[in-house]
Amino acid sequence: DQQVKQNSPSLSVQEGRISILNCDYTNSMFDYFLWYKKYPAEGPTFLISISSIKDKNEDGRFTVFLNKSAKHLSLHIVPSQPGDSAVYFCAASEQGGSEKLVFGKGTKLTVNP
Amino acid sequence: SAVISQKPSRDICQRGTSLTIQCQVDSQVTMMFWYRQQPGQSLTLIATANQGSEATYESGFVIDKFPISRPNLTFSTLTVSNMSPEDSSIYLCSVEDRGSQETQYFGPGTRLLVL
Repeated sequence: DQQVKQNSPSLSVQEGRISILNCDYTNSMFDYFLWYKKYPAEGPTFLISISSIKDKNEDGRFTVFLNKSAKHLSLHIVPSQPGDSAVYFCAASEQGGSEKLVFGKGTKLTVNP
Repeated sequence: SAVISQKPSRDICQRGTSLTIQCQVDSQVTMMFWYRQQPGQSLTLIATANQGSEATYESGFVIDKFPISRPNLTFSTLTVSNMSPEDSSIYLCSVEDRGSQETQYFGPGTRLLVL
């Protein structure tokens, strides 16, 4: 049973517009959430994280929103750039980012010039 | 952030053989992790490797199939034993962020194809 779900395998947006990637989870014990970006033939690169005590965290063009009641989080990228084209993974942990991470299957984002 | 390298970057192996994957970090870390990403699937944690103690395996993974060594604070190996085509995956090591302990940094991965 998948505890972290990314229901959109792919997303295509125009350069300069907003990209919204979604993630749902089922395990109410998760208290820390992370987003990673992965280019082909490379390992995942950490983007941004959020603790369950917050509902929003922002870092430059990237903002993560957490809705605990809905067990849902989203990553917003504004403005989107062609270099953002990659696979984005949502991950969750019960004890912070230095413990076991449970990943979703990823969403492939394509930003068109 | 830590700089992590893995060897080999890719390999093609025959079923029944074993492959040892190396993970080297440029700084000392307490916790190292080994993940697997099967085709079209998410990353799944195989085991956690702490220096000086036995690795802790996740459900569905056993030491006989995936023996792990952790001889020091900058190095670990994962062996995929008696391989079958179902072991074809990307194998990734990761390390904790010693500063914030709020994330893990990943190596580039080892792409394994078993024929």
